[in-house]
Amino acid sequence: DVKVTQSSRYLVKRTGEKVFLECVQDMDHENMFWYRQDPGLGLRLIYFSYDVKMKEKGDIPEGYSVSREKKERFSLILESASTNQTSMYLCASRTGGTSPLEQFFGPGTRLTVL
Amino acid sequence: DQQVKQNSPSLSVQEGRISILNCDYTNSMFDYFLWYKKYPAEGPTFLISISSIKDKNEDGRFTVFLNKSAKHLSLHIVPSQPGDSAVYFCAATRGTASKLTFGTGTRLQVTL
Repeated sequence: DVKVTQSSRYLVKRTGEKVFLECVQDMDHENMFWYRQDPGLGLRLIYFSYDVKMKEKGDIPEGYSVSREKKERFSLILESASTNQTSMYLCASRTGGTSPLEQFFGPGTRLTVL
Repeated sequence: DQQVKQNSPSLSVQEGRISILNCDYTNSMFDYFLWYKKYPAEGPTFLISISSIKDKNEDGRFTVFLNKSAKHLSLHIVPSQPGDSAVYFCAATRGTASKLTFGTGTRLQVTL
């Protein structure tokens, strides 16, 4: 079974702090993704990566950056956390190639910015 | 611009009955569609998918129907069980693109 793990289930940070969210997958997947989930808005893609050191902006990249130094690890960075970044953050991965297209998700990190 | 829409935020169904969750999309380039299920405090889990070359795909109690001309898909759960109570997201993608575009979700409550 694919396992995607996220470093924290719950996190509380203060406005202006730098925040690191870590994601690790154990299935040698090429593609990795960061989403945020907010009520009424569904899942929105922040950034994704299709290879080591490669990254692509998703639909809402503002205020975030990412790092992928190793294939299994994809980090989301909030350079200066703000209250509107309070959300559930979900990491996902999938294999490269043409199929299957389904992504496998981690359990999520509930981030609260005070 | 919401390219994938789930217009019903919630749905309540009695145990044993059919649950029908609906999803509409606007981008005619989408050619692959997926349904995910999400319990509170857990990540979404993949349920079932369908390619645009098909109009139906079935997996046990779950069937997804695709109407390309209407840009509409639906997930049928028969019979519904209390453990099916969760938020369901539909998602769409095109070609071999990595990105999935998700809908806003429908919360299904299966009552006894």
